[in-house]
Amino acid sequence: SQELEQSPQSLIVQEGKNLTINCTSSKTLYGLYWYKQKYGEGLIFLMMLQKGGEEKSHEKITAKLDEKKQQSSLHITASQPSHAGIYLCGADRGGGADGLTFGKGTHLIIQP
Amino acid sequence: DGGITQSPKYLFRKEGQNVTLSCEQNLNHDAMYWYRQDPGQGLRLIYYSQIVNDFQKGDIAEGYSVSREKKESFPLTVTSAQKNPTAFYLCASRSGTGVFGTPLHFGNGTRLTVT
Repeated sequence: SQELEQSPQSLIVQEGKNLTINCTSSKTLYGLYWYKQKYGEGLIFLMMLQKGGEEKSHEKITAKLDEKKQQSSLHITASQPSHAGIYLCGADRGGGADGLTFGKGTHLIIQP
Repeated sequence: DGGITQSPKYLFRKEGQNVTLSCEQNLNHDAMYWYRQDPGQGLRLIYYSQIVNDFQKGDIAEGYSVSREKKESFPLTVTSAQKNPTAFYLCASRSGTGVFGTPLHFGNGTRLTVT
């Protein structure tokens, strides 16, 4: 079965600084999804990557999928308190219909 | 606005009692999913359903049961056979079936505490 490993597990960043979160897959990724979760709430979809080398941005968040499609990175520029939370990467499971498998998440804390 | 509603937000039960978590969606999505989230373990798939009256076991189905009598509804029952039921439960849905490249939409979760 496919496994997703996220690093770091937790991250404390001073407000205004940039940061990067990584997601590495044990198998080729056919669809890689980034979600954000506030503590005790549901997951909010951020963006999806499918093609090797693809890069997408939303406001100050940029996600990339490497050419070999086994690693993705999420980069936040000029972090703000609103960026705090848990970031999770997810990947399509084998058949597509059976949902996503997820990494364990990266806990991001923004220090003022 | 379309979305997924999970209720209740917090649920407390005594050990040995069955409990049912509600999940309703008005997104007209075919596929629905139940995940369990525990600290340090991420999200794990319990059950999923692609169409009405059909569902499949996920990775940790033991001690759980589901039904899919209506497209909009996918309730999860946590039975007394589930050894560690205390967790945060998330319901999700997805348009289409058997397709890659469509994100899951999540509800706001139900936190179940069993004592």
